[in-house]
Amino acid sequence: EIVLTQSPGTLSLSPGERATLSCRASQSVSSSYLAWYQQKPGQAPRLLIYGASSRATGIPDRFSGSGSGTDFTLTISRLEPEDFAVYYCQQYGSSLTFGPGTKVDIK
Amino acid sequence: QITLKESGPTLVKPTQTLTLTCTFSGFSLSTSGVGVGWIRQPPGKALEWLALIYWNDDKRYSPSLKSRLTITKDTSKNQVVLTMTNMDPVDTATYYCAHRPVLGIFGVDEVFDPWGQGTLVTVSS
Repeated sequence: EIVLTQSPGTLSLSPGERATLSCRASQSVSSSYLAWYQQKPGQAPRLLIYGASSRATGIPDRFSGSGSGTDFTLTISRLEPEDFAVYYCQQYGSSLTFGPGTKVDIK
Repeated sequence: QITLKESGPTLVKPTQTLTLTCTFSGFSLSTSGVGVGWIRQPPGKALEWLALIYWNDDKRYSPSLKSRLTITKDTSKNQVVLTMTNMDPVDTATYYCAHRPVLGIFGVDEVFDPWGQGTLVTVSS
């Protein structure tokens, strides 16, 4: 099973700042089969990125994904107030597994 | 607009079998490439994928829970049912069902969009 590790656990930033979230896999994720989700308190997750770098429908272009192999990154170029949430990565190259999440909170 | 909604018991006893139903609208499970998955989230913890069923009735299960899970579909009713046997307090979680879309040219991405609102299942005697 591919284990995903996300860092940092918590990221404290101010609106307007850039957020860089990391997702590392215990083995290479084939074909960059990696996705990112956003979850706000009391809500279901929302798909942001799939295939490591493709934005899902309706996702603002301030969200971008990159990476390959074992190292992936979600970048939020300028944080908006509605972006403070928990972010999960998910790999689907070998079965399906989620990472433990990164919380982005207001500094 | 695609919507999904989970239904089932909110409380089950240890050793009992849990049966959850996902009722959806806005898509058909007979459309090539489409699927419905189940994912759970214990309170305050991370997401865990459980099972996925495809338009052609292929099924995938989490390796660690495979022996306890069964996923089925009723295309005419727009429903997917998940059963989990031998429930334990550690299975207490919010259970989500979600749409597996066809993305890009090849539709190979095993991702979920959108999700239902989730249903909290508590396992306690």
